[in-house]
Amino acid sequence: AQKITQTQPGMFVQEKEAVTLDCTYDTSDPSYGLFWYKQPSSGEMIFLIYQGSYDQQNATEGRYSLNFQKARKSANLVISASQLGDSAMYFCAMRGYFGNEKLTFGTGTRLTIIP
Amino acid sequence: DTGVSQDPRHKITKRGQNVTFRCDPISEHNRLYWYRQTLGQGPEFLTYFQNEAQLEKSRLLSDRFSAERPKGSFSTLEIQRTEQGDSAMYLCASSLDFSGTSIKNTEAFFGQGTRLTVV
Repeated sequence: AQKITQTQPGMFVQEKEAVTLDCTYDTSDPSYGLFWYKQPSSGEMIFLIYQGSYDQQNATEGRYSLNFQKARKSANLVISASQLGDSAMYFCAMRGYFGNEKLTFGTGTRLTIIP
Repeated sequence: DTGVSQDPRHKITKRGQNVTFRCDPISEHNRLYWYRQTLGQGPEFLTYFQNEAQLEKSRLLSDRFSAERPKGSFSTLEIQRTEQGDSAMYLCASSLDFSGTSIKNTEAFFGQGTRLTVV
């Protein structure tokens, strides 16, 4: 079974500061992918970034980077230079491969950017 | 618009009625997923299809729930004899199958969801 744990129910960050959202995971799959999604108040889940379990480098997508520490089973999302539009729910998710291919989500972190 | 579309966006129904939701995935995606999300929670997996084959169903999916994907294109999720506990956002997502090739760019793209309220 796969499990995602997000221990920060809510965070408040000053605009233009960097923020780290925590995610730890548990799985017995040898290969897996880790994802972060953003869900604004409109409800749509927006894909942000992907990290494969065998990727040697941490993933980056613009202002988003994923701090992947495989031995610690953590996949923290770092948002640099936060903007007001970053205020939303953020979900960490993982998916196994070759037979365990559904996305499993954490409970999310509500991020609020303060002007 | 070539994204995932869901219809209707909102549905209010009386307890005991049947409801059906539709999802149109991104055209080249062969994987289609259904999730349920209640307030303050992350999405919970319900079921997924590869083409027209339903490959996995969650234990959350009671006998009152059924999903189909005829011809491997759009999908429908039906809830029979709705209960108040069925009130939630129902999300559909689609993705590419990754078997045999690169597993990058296989992220799931979500629709805007159908919000069901059972009164």
